Amino acid sequence: GEEVAQTPKHLVRGEGQKAKLYCAPIKGHSYVFWYQQVLKNEFKFLISFQNENVFDETGMPKERFSAKCLPNSPCSLEIQATKLEDSAVYFCASSQSTVSTHGYTFGSGTRLTVV
Amino acid sequence: GENVEQHPSTLSVQEGDSAVIKCTYSDSASNYFPWYKQELGKGPQLIIDIRSNVGEKKDQRIAVTLNKTAKHFSLHITETQPEDSAVYFCAAMYSGGGADGLTFGKGTHLIIQP
Repeated sequence: GEEVAQTPKHLVRGEGQKAKLYCAPIKGHSYVFWYQQVLKNEFKFLISFQNENVFDETGMPKERFSAKCLPNSPCSLEIQATKLEDSAVYFCASSQSTVSTHGYTFGSGTRLTVV
Repeated sequence: GENVEQHPSTLSVQEGDSAVIKCTYSDSASNYFPWYKQELGKGPQLIIDIRSNVGEKKDQRIAVTLNKTAKHFSLHITETQPEDSAVYFCAAMYSGGGADGLTFGKGTHLIIQP
């Protein structure tokens, strides 16, 4: 079946380096969401998109995090000057129309380790 | 903003017994309540969801109940099997028709004892 494809699966960066994560939503899904899952399982909402437009970015640490969803390209989440506390699994999810109608489908995540 | 509390954090049950996980939410405007199952090294998988116009929903061995007045909802798994072992997350949101974000509980690690 169709799936949300996240790359890479694992990423190791030295503190201060840049990290870039990619997400290909399911074809036809208009909404994309990024979540950060830290060690104790907690999910933190980062940002959502409706097509290429940012819908809600209230969870984003804007000084270092940025995200894009451009037409005909995977969505991306970029972290400039990574810090140790950025170590987490980053999940992308997509939804067909409104979430309450169809729910989210999550990718399998990118594990970022900052050393 | 929304706040979701989930209990217990760990639940161990004998194979064949039932398991119940409970969540409460704070925002009375929330109208969509999904449950996700996350296995080790994988992304969360939607297993069942309920909307605020329904009090109960069942799908084979799993069921969800919602009490809007008390602002709590529960996941019930009957006849548990070893493959039910995983971390389960409840979530809540107000869906206004846009790309609204889910607020998750902190998860319940369900262990099925053979």
